[in-house]
Amino acid sequence: DSGVTQTPKHLITATGQRVTLRCSPRSGDLSVYWYQQSLDQGLQFLIHYYNGEERAKGNILERFSAQQFPDLHSELNLSSLELGDSALYFCASSAYGYTFGSGTRLTVV
Amino acid sequence: GENVEQHPSTLSVQEGDSAVIKCTYSDSASNYFPWYKQELGKGPQLIIDIRSNVGEKKDQRIAVTLNKTAKHFSLHITETQPEDSAVYFCAASPYTDKLIFGTGTRLQVFP
Repeated sequence: DSGVTQTPKHLITATGQRVTLRCSPRSGDLSVYWYQQSLDQGLQFLIHYYNGEERAKGNILERFSAQQFPDLHSELNLSSLELGDSALYFCASSAYGYTFGSGTRLTVV
Repeated sequence: GENVEQHPSTLSVQEGDSAVIKCTYSDSASNYFPWYKQELGKGPQLIIDIRSNVGEKKDQRIAVTLNKTAKHFSLHITETQPEDSAVYFCAASPYTDKLIFGTGTRLQVFP
């Protein structure tokens, strides 16, 4: 157990729908990073939050958004889903070195 | 833009042999270079990392070397075991703190 908790583990949804992925960082970690892992794109950085504030953005689509709450958990919202959004979504927290959660596998049908 | 190239994409070795995976990064501002092991159905797990002020770091059977001038860093696994079979990712972190990952190497260790 890495200490980074992601829910749900699996999600199957239809095109055009909206989903929310949840991440709880390790106890005491203020940072949450979101990454997308697809077969043809590898691990791509999406967004970084630190203590509730957005710190950096990667190639995150406008259909995607995230936030970090006062209790430090984070949610990644994916809307108007397309088939190409099917991927593994990981969050990581970091005091020193990134610790990844076990991911959410999103399948868009 | 920022880019990390990783080679080879697949690597097959006999148990007990050594394995070497190489990465090249483009952003000279990168100062942190971790390596991750990802097993099927799991998230990436940090196995070793190195900072730019260090040329080499070793942890039991795993070592990482860094050549800042050439912007190369490598993972060396000695005395490989079947449980080393997994996908390995290198990454580089520029000052912005995000990780840029390589494309991964699938390592297979045959008994």
